[in-house]
Amino acid sequence: EIVLTQFPGTLSLSPGDRATLSCRANGTVSGTYVAWYQLKPGQGPRLLIYGASRRATGVPDKFSGSGSGTDFALTISRLEPEDFALYFCHQYGSPPWTFGQGTEVEFK
Amino acid sequence: QVQLVQSGAEVKKPGASVKVSCKASGYTFANYVIHWVRRAPGQRPEWMGWISAGNGNTKYSQKFQGRVTLTRDTSATTAYMELSSLISEDTAVYYCARMGVAADYWGQGTPVTVSS
Repeated sequence: EIVLTQFPGTLSLSPGDRATLSCRANGTVSGTYVAWYQLKPGQGPRLLIYGASRRATGVPDKFSGSGSGTDFALTISRLEPEDFALYFCHQYGSPPWTFGQGTEVEFK
Repeated sequence: QVQLVQSGAEVKKPGASVKVSCKASGYTFANYVIHWVRRAPGQRPEWMGWISAGNGNTKYSQKFQGRVTLTRDTSATTAYMELSSLISEDTAVYYCARMGVAADYWGQGTPVTVSS
């Protein structure tokens, strides 16, 4: 099973800042099948990035994904108030699906 | 627009079963697979299994094999997840998700609390 480790656990930032979230796998993720999700209380996860670097439909270009193999990243270029949330990475290339433990982006 | 709407919160006693529904709309239900994922408080999400809405084929996580049953009703465009022999550690929010380019649309989540 692929184990995903996200870091940092918490990012304390201000609106306008750039956020870089990391996700490391303990084995090569097949086909760069890595996705990133945003999760807010009371809502289902929102797909931001799939295939490591492809933006999902309707996702603004302030969100970008990168990486391959075992190391992946999500960057939010300029934080806006609605971006303060919990973010998960997810690999869907090697069964079973697995998820990272999350990075909380909080107000500094 | 694509929507997955789940049934409401549940409170169950240990040993009981729970059945969560996921009503799909805005797309051709039979053309996609539905996955089920849960997230216990403060924990990372866990994948439970998937069901093909078209032919009903299923695949379960080994962790839940024997306790989880995924079904669907194509006429109602609804998928179901039933988890049996509940224990306190099954307290979590349960999500359904459509598999498109990735798990692209998710339900709002159904909180399930297991408590005596």
